[in-house]
Amino acid sequence: DAGITQSPRHKVTETGTPVTLRCHQTENHRYMYWYRQDPGHGLRLIHYSYGVKDTDKGEVSDGYSVSRSKTEDFLLTLESATSSQTSVYFCAISDPDREQQYFGPGTRLTVT
Amino acid sequence: DQQVKQNSPSLSVQEGRISILNCDYTNSMFDYFLWYKKYPAEGPTFLISISSIKDKNEDGRFTVFLNKSAKHLSLHIVPSQPGDSAVYFCAARSIQGAQKLVFGQGTRLTINP
Repeated sequence: DAGITQSPRHKVTETGTPVTLRCHQTENHRYMYWYRQDPGHGLRLIHYSYGVKDTDKGEVSDGYSVSRSKTEDFLLTLESATSSQTSVYFCAISDPDREQQYFGPGTRLTVT
Repeated sequence: DQQVKQNSPSLSVQEGRISILNCDYTNSMFDYFLWYKKYPAEGPTFLISISSIKDKNEDGRFTVFLNKSAKHLSLHIVPSQPGDSAVYFCAARSIQGAQKLVFGQGTRLTINP
């Protein structure tokens, strides 16, 4: 299994509060991604990074920001959480010479 | 605009029989197609992939078929086993795009004894 951890694994927070999710990898892969999984939508890309300090928006980026100050860490921040951001969040990593991405175990976030 | 579609939310198959999961896509710029398997409370795990220049790829009990003219791919599992019960996601990678994948909605496969 690829060395990817996500923290926290579960979080309950209130509407309007900021939340930061962390993804940590030990594989030295160049690319990192944040997805959300919702029923009927599969996995949708929020933001991705193609190197340290290099990030770009995905399909559903509104309300989210990211940062990557080190190769191994990719942070996802919800500046002001809303109930529509209740979801399961997955981090993934990949390298340029491989087509597949490797996923972390996920973070279940509930915004009340 | 759903570029990758899995039109069957669920599929039930008897143990030992063949499971066929389907996926349709719209973007001609996709160069790789992948299948992922997901168990509850775990992250998706890579299962098998196929390049757009091929029409079949086989790995043990799993075979993926690609029909480019129809923009359709399918995953065949033979024989189906109880441990195959999971959600399966089809995904596609665009040659334009920084290794980004576009996922379908997923199909929940249940293998009955």
